[in-house]
Amino acid sequence: DAGITQSPRHKVTETGTPVTLRCHQTENHRYMYWYRQDPGHGLRLIHYSYGVKDTDKGEVSDGYSVSRSKTEDFLLTLESATSSQTSVYFCATGPTGLGQETQYFGPGTRLLVL
Amino acid sequence: DQQVKQNSPSLSVQEGRISILNCDYTNSMFDYFLWYKKYPAEGPTFLISISSIKDKNEDGRFTVFLNKSAKHLSLHIVPSQPGDSAVYFCAASGGANFGNEKLTFGTGTRLTIIP
Repeated sequence: DAGITQSPRHKVTETGTPVTLRCHQTENHRYMYWYRQDPGHGLRLIHYSYGVKDTDKGEVSDGYSVSRSKTEDFLLTLESATSSQTSVYFCATGPTGLGQETQYFGPGTRLLVL
Repeated sequence: DQQVKQNSPSLSVQEGRISILNCDYTNSMFDYFLWYKKYPAEGPTFLISISSIKDKNEDGRFTVFLNKSAKHLSLHIVPSQPGDSAVYFCAASGGANFGNEKLTFGTGTRLTIIP
């Protein structure tokens, strides 16, 4: 398994506060992804990165920003958290980004916005 | 617009019998399909995949079937075991013009194997 860690694993925050989630990988994979998992919606792509400082939007990017200053780290920021962003967030990585390759997922971060 | 659909939110199967999980897609640009398995409090893990040039792929107890004309794929698990109880997601990716680097996931099916 690819070494992917996410921090924090659980977080409770209040509406309007900024939140940053961190994904760290030890596999030197080029591609990194942030997803959110919600009941009835499955996994939806928020943002992804195809290299250091290279990022692009996914399906549900509004209200989120990302940064990747090092190959191993991909940060997801909620500038001003809202209750609709209560979710489980998963980071994933892929060596080349080709659609037929497996993506490797981290353990997830459970976020509750009150 | 849900481009990958799993219409059964849950499925219960007796241990030892066959489990069949279904997935439908709407976008004809998808050319590669994957199944992921997810246990509670863990991230999804890759299970099996199939290219659009094939109609079947087998890996041990797991077989994925693809019907391109119907835009339908299914995952068969034979025989089903208690450890197969999990949520299963199907996912699809398109060619270079569609966004080859991105996966579109279905909503998931919770499979429960009854001992």
